[in-house]
Amino acid sequence: GAVVSQHPSRVICKSGTSVKIECRSLDFQATTMFWYRQFPKKSLMLMATSNEGSKATYEQGVEKDKFLINHASLTLSTLTVTSAHPEDSSFYICSARGGQTSGSGGYNEQFFGPGTRLTVL
Amino acid sequence: RKEVEQDPGPFNVPEGATVAFNCTYSNSASQSFFWYRQDCRKEPKLLMSVYSSGNEDGRFTAQLNRASQYISLLIRDSKLSDSATYLCVVNFGRGTLTFGKGTMLLVSP
Repeated sequence: GAVVSQHPSRVICKSGTSVKIECRSLDFQATTMFWYRQFPKKSLMLMATSNEGSKATYEQGVEKDKFLINHASLTLSTLTVTSAHPEDSSFYICSARGGQTSGSGGYNEQFFGPGTRLTVL
Repeated sequence: RKEVEQDPGPFNVPEGATVAFNCTYSNSASQSFFWYRQDCRKEPKLLMSVYSSGNEDGRFTAQLNRASQYISLLIRDSKLSDSATYLCVVNFGRGTLTFGKGTMLLVSP
């Protein structure tokens, strides 16, 4: 399958600071990238969907001003956690999808990055 | 009602055993179905798609029952390396994926 990288893999920061996470598709052009969050022993929860060159679509309950998403190119999306607090500590995973979906409910395989473990002290 | 439900387990089985996981989903108009595998502190990886006619990939067999809104995964001849969390994943037609909490499998020698 295609390769998606994330950087950093792990970050520890103080409360109140902002943290930027990068997601890159290494060998394909990702028209759509997804950002997920996973708390311990919980399921992956979709935070937002971003399409290259347009504003991200956030899931209900996710604050767009706190979780800033930029998808400026077909191979890079960034998630910035602004003014991080301990409750933002989680495993953040991106995925990338290339090409066109088939029909209104179509699906092309998503390729997941290795995740970023954020700890806010 | 939760959209994708799974028994969290853990399922503890000896090597060589056959084990089955089930999953139910809430939306009868769901488009596509998958099983992912997630190792501890790692990203999920696609194990297999699930087709209406059922499909098999080596020791793994997936079944879909649309009438009952039910998906299953059967693992035969379990290996130690099969120990992981198995995620039931559904595309409800929005082009996005909805994940179950996962079922943990522990295969012991």
